[in-house]
Amino acid sequence: GIQVEQSPPDLILQEGANSTLRCNFSDSVNNLQWFHQNPWGQLINLFYIPSGTKQNGRLSATTVATERYSLLYISSSQTTDSGVYFCAVARTGGFKTIFGAGTRLFVKA
Amino acid sequence: DGGITQSPKYLFRKEGQNVTLSCEQNLNHDAMYWYRQDPGQGLRLIYYSQIVNDFQKGDIAEGYSVSREKKESFPLTVTSAQKNPTAFYLCASIQGNTEAFFGQGTRLTVV
Repeated sequence: GIQVEQSPPDLILQEGANSTLRCNFSDSVNNLQWFHQNPWGQLINLFYIPSGTKQNGRLSATTVATERYSLLYISSSQTTDSGVYFCAVARTGGFKTIFGAGTRLFVKA
Repeated sequence: DGGITQSPKYLFRKEGQNVTLSCEQNLNHDAMYWYRQDPGQGLRLIYYSQIVNDFQKGDIAEGYSVSREKKESFPLTVTSAQKNPTAFYLCASIQGNTEAFFGQGTRLTVV
């Protein structure tokens, strides 16, 4: 099956700093999403981005499908950005949505 | 409000018991999924269903069973054959090949 690798596994930032999270995948995909899991376990949809670039406030994401990676940018980080960020993909022609292991982000005040 | 509702939020199971986790959606989505999350880990796929009366095993289906008798509902039964059921369980729904939306999860603990 398709492999999804996220890096870094853990990240500590000072409030106000910028960061880039990466998601590599091993096969062509027709679905890619980024999620933020809050401390209560709720998965919040950040981006649906199988290709191209999107921005939403301080967050933006870019997926280069031909090179099999996606990047999530967080600018001017805030303590409320803390949590786990997951990348999830579905292989082209498939229906299974597979998650990476996540990047655990802690933003210090 | 449209969305996905999981119940209960917390569930305690005695050794040897079967328990059923509920997942209901009113988004009119065809596909529904169940995932398991262990502490500090990612999400692993248990079962998924693309249409009513059809479902497929995911990567860790052993010890679990599902049914899909209605489009809106996709209950998951954790059977006594699941040797380590303590985990956080998340249900999702998706229409076509677009965004997946998740419920708030059920925390299952074996006592």
